[in-house]
Amino acid sequence: QSALTQPPSASGSPGQSVTISCTGTSSDVGAYNYVSWYQQYPGKVPKLMISEVTERPSGVPDRFSGSKSGNTASLTVSGLQAEDEADYYCSSYAGSDIWVFGGGTKLTVL
Amino acid sequence: QVQLLQSGPGLVKPSQTLSLSCAIFGDSLSTRHIGWHWIRQSPSRGLEWLGRTHYKSRWDVSCATSVKSRMTINADTSKDQFSLQLDSVTPEDTAVYYCARGSAYSFGFWGQGILVTVSS
Repeated sequence: QSALTQPPSASGSPGQSVTISCTGTSSDVGAYNYVSWYQQYPGKVPKLMISEVTERPSGVPDRFSGSKSGNTASLTVSGLQAEDEADYYCSSYAGSDIWVFGGGTKLTVL
Repeated sequence: QVQLLQSGPGLVKPSQTLSLSCAIFGDSLSTRHIGWHWIRQSPSRGLEWLGRTHYKSRWDVSCATSVKSRMTINADTSKDQFSLQLDSVTPEDTAVYYCARGSAYSFGFWGQGILVTVSS
């Protein structure tokens, strides 16, 4: 049950698009369409932004989108806004009733 | 709206047992196809999934390999709450502990989090 791999940081200017990757293995990300993404502000509780690779819960702006190719999932934030500056974590179901998280990516809006 | 309210001590001595509870409001512990999870977060380990309980004709528990030998998750349907016990804690177990409601293999609702420090 190794953690998923995310870049420690990502950045973009307001209005631009930024993509955060989440790399796993053929036993987790590659095996199931059960990747989710979470946004977390400092000192706050994580918030679900994307479930099942591409599904946006009610209330999440459509600027946030998810995708997957092979063992790598991605979160894209389009039309970056200052309020998007936060930490982002991916998670994947890994079979046998086990879940795994990524190490997190700090998104900076320049 | 589902709300999860956590309770438990913020300080535990090394080698002792960490015990936390999570009370559920706006849902039921026995709701089908819903899992009830424990997750922790520390600067050194990031977010770490610990375990889950859910009802599927009987109560089923799954745990992360890293804590499986010393972790227990219990469900109390009379109070609609579930609990975490982590035995033989060390300073490495210092973290913010969250309970969370799982559906569609994701965590849609989280408790407020409790910082648990392991120190003598």
